[in-house]
Amino acid sequence: SQKIEQNSEALNIQEGKTATLTCNYTNYSPAYLQWYRQDPGRGPVFLLLIRENEKEKRKERLKVTFDTTLKQSLFHITASQPADSATYLCVRRNYGQNFVFGPGTRLSVLP
Amino acid sequence: DGGITQSPKYLFRKEGQNVTLSCEQNLNHDAMYWYRQDPGQGLRLIYYSQIVNDFQKGDIAEGYSVSREKKESFPLTVTSAQKNPTAFYLCASSKYDSPDTQYFGPGTRLTVL
Repeated sequence: SQKIEQNSEALNIQEGKTATLTCNYTNYSPAYLQWYRQDPGRGPVFLLLIRENEKEKRKERLKVTFDTTLKQSLFHITASQPADSATYLCVRRNYGQNFVFGPGTRLSVLP
Repeated sequence: DGGITQSPKYLFRKEGQNVTLSCEQNLNHDAMYWYRQDPGQGLRLIYYSQIVNDFQKGDIAEGYSVSREKKESFPLTVTSAQKNPTAFYLCASSKYDSPDTQYFGPGTRLTVL
């Protein structure tokens, strides 16, 4: 079955640094991957989608890469701020409406 | 003010009781979804519906039931047959022609006493 793996350990970084989160997937490459942000006790919020043929995608301070050789996506937040502290989820779609969510990586940006 | 709402925020139930979680959206989205989230795990799909009066089982549908009588509403019933119902339940919706971007509700935390 398709799986999404994310570093289950929390990531702590200093304000102003770049945060890099990793998402690894198994089996065949999905047509695209998505990244969501989730705050404690709240629903996830969509951030970015990157397609298989897009090596990199940017949105303001966010950047996502997609490496089909490594079966990996990297999610970067540049000039990180304490307000960026949250759990970030990586998601793939297998077929139809069947989405596979990773467990998420919790990011803490320290002032 | 468009969005997706879930109620209640917290719900307690005794073993052996059925309970229904509400999900409403005014985004005019065709598709709606129910997920379950447990600590340390990714969201898992319970049921989804792409149009009114039609719904499909997800990966963990056993012990749950849904209905889709109106486009705006997709209630989830957690039955007594669900072995481990304590969890955080999330409802989401998306446009039929753009299913990749899902809009999530605030969630309902269900605790079985």
